Amino acid sequence: QVQLVQSGAEVKKPGASVRVSCKASGYTFTNYFLHWVRLAPGQSLEWMGIINPTGGDTDYAQKFQGRVTMTRDTSTSTVYLELSSLRSEDTAVYYCAREPRGGHEYDYWGQGTLVTVSS
Amino acid sequence: EIVLTQSPATLSLSPGERAILSCRASQSVSSYLAWYQHKPGQAPRLLIYDASNRATGIPARFSGSGSGTHFTLTISSLEPEDFAVYYCQQRSNWPSTFGPGTKVDIK
Repeated sequence: QVQLVQSGAEVKKPGASVRVSCKASGYTFTNYFLHWVRLAPGQSLEWMGIINPTGGDTDYAQKFQGRVTMTRDTSTSTVYLELSSLRSEDTAVYYCAREPRGGHEYDYWGQGTLVTVSS
Repeated sequence: EIVLTQSPATLSLSPGERAILSCRASQSVSSYLAWYQHKPGQAPRLLIYDASNRATGIPARFSGSGSGTHFTLTISSLEPEDFAVYYCQQRSNWPSTFGPGTKVDIK
């Protein structure tokens, strides 16, 4: 069965960087785009960007341009989200989510990774 | 970017009642609208895609309708496990955006 398994919770200081991983299984990794979405306390879901696991092409939300990097490792079917220059407003649960072929939605999601930014 | 507005913000209902949730877009998203259910500590769950198609394994009590700028998610008879937050999402235009959510809680 399709699974997206994310890395564990992180606590970071302001100005630091964080890297979150998302390991895919149960399907052909390179056949589906993966997205990152976050949910901050009291806020709604927020799209951060997309990565094509085949070539590693990415597209980021304008809000995160310059601070976000998404990469993938096809040998382990894992995608990574790195967010730098962290501030308190980046405290959120970060999710990876799969886009089905030809779809406009996210059919499978990771379990979420809580990133807390605090001095 | 397209702004999605959901109403009401909170819906207080009893099990067995019908829930009707609304999602409005600031401009047309055609039928490229999805609905998700989210419970605390869990991943969001896809319910409806392309405005009216139930995702795999979703019970028939969930239905979606609408196109253009006005969409509705209907839960015909609430089960105890349906009390959660519901989000709509559009991917018609870049960037993908989500609504603020409707919380369905127990009356």
